[in-house]
Amino acid sequence: DIQMTQSPASLSASLEEIVTITCKASQGIDDYLSWYQQKPGKSPQLLIYDATSLADGVPSRFSGSRSGTQYSLKISRPQVDDSGIYYCLQSYSTPLTFGSGTKLEIK
Amino acid sequence: QVKLQQSGAELVKPGASVKLSCKTSGYTFSTSYMSWFKQIPGQSIEWIGMIYAGDGGTGYNQKFKGKATLTVDTSSSTAYMDLSSLTTEDSAVYFCARSYYYSSSAFAYWGQGTLVTVSS
Repeated sequence: DIQMTQSPASLSASLEEIVTITCKASQGIDDYLSWYQQKPGKSPQLLIYDATSLADGVPSRFSGSRSGTQYSLKISRPQVDDSGIYYCLQSYSTPLTFGSGTKLEIK
Repeated sequence: QVKLQQSGAELVKPGASVKLSCKTSGYTFSTSYMSWFKQIPGQSIEWIGMIYAGDGGTGYNQKFKGKATLTVDTSSSTAYMDLSSLTTEDSAVYFCARSYYYSSSAFAYWGQGTLVTVSS
């Protein structure tokens, strides 16, 4: 199984910061990587697909990138509503596997 | 628009089975895949498996083989997941999800989740 090592586990940021969350894959996943936001009691919401593509309706302050087998989600000038838990998901091979999650608080 | 409506919360006894449903609308069910996921509250998400509604073909996470059985009813555009021999470790929220129109490897459409509580 492909392991997705996600960091940090939690972080707190202000409205003026740039937030970066990373996921490192245990092997190459050919950009079959998506990012999700989940709020308490809700389903995950797709933010980024194919590593760098923004899903419909997602604000442009969210972006995705890759360096080697490390994938990053960046939130520029986050809003209070961006608080939640963020997950990466690899869909390169089965079983599909998620990162452990990053709890983000925007102050 | 695409909608996935899951069945309500379940309270079941250890050793019992439960069948969860995911009723869909807004797209062609019979030519699509449906995946199922498990999330224990406070933990990350696990992929259970997927089913192709066209022929009922399935693929499972080895961890859930023998635990979960995926089926579909194309006449009602509904996907089902049977969970058998339940233990307290099966207590979780279960989601169904369909892939995004622009990428089959991402999931843009999710049900609201079904909470399964296994308790005597």
